[in-house]
Amino acid sequence: ILNVEQSPQSLHVQEGDSTNFTCSFPSSNFYALHWYRWETAKSPEALFVMTLNGDEKKKGRISATLNTKEGYSYLYIKGSQPEDSATYLCAFTNAGNMLTFGGGTRLMVKP
Amino acid sequence: DVKVTQSSRYLVKRTGEKVFLECVQDMDHENMFWYRQDPGLGLRLIYFSYDVKMKEKGDIPEGYSVSREKKERFSLILESASTNQTSMYLCASSLGRMFGQYFGPGTRLLVL
Repeated sequence: ILNVEQSPQSLHVQEGDSTNFTCSFPSSNFYALHWYRWETAKSPEALFVMTLNGDEKKKGRISATLNTKEGYSYLYIKGSQPEDSATYLCAFTNAGNMLTFGGGTRLMVKP
Repeated sequence: DVKVTQSSRYLVKRTGEKVFLECVQDMDHENMFWYRQDPGLGLRLIYFSYDVKMKEKGDIPEGYSVSREKKERFSLILESASTNQTSMYLCASSLGRMFGQYFGPGTRLLVL
């Protein structure tokens, strides 16, 4: 079982704050790193898939970076809004096609 | 839009019963996955399939089997349900490892 860790486990921020959280994963046999957003009572929704060291992806106020050499990815949310409240999951794929999810970071944005 | 559907949203079964969870996707995706989600443990991969009649064990395959007779359908089978299989089960599909997964709405299974 591959070790994919996310921190923090949960985070409370005020509306308008910018925030970031971390996903760490094994740096060997890297193939891809995925980020998902999972709102309560809905299904997880794919945000980004990143494959190259140094990749940066952006979708509106959310962006992500990737460092495959040291085995981490950051997810940033600029100017958090209450509708950003969700659990953010990262998932690591290695060359063997296994996809392993981290435990998630639960973000709560207070109005 | 990709649609992944699961046969039931909620299911209550008794210990020892055989349970079938069905998943259907409508986008001709090669890969399909079954996960379970438990508080504090995140999403854990049970089985996945990258083609019809092909299956691979995930992290926690014990107590489960799967069937993929048609490309669009991936079934998870609990041969003899036990109380520790009470969980939320999520099905997903994708075009491949380079692509994000599309998830179904989940089935919340309670085994009494």
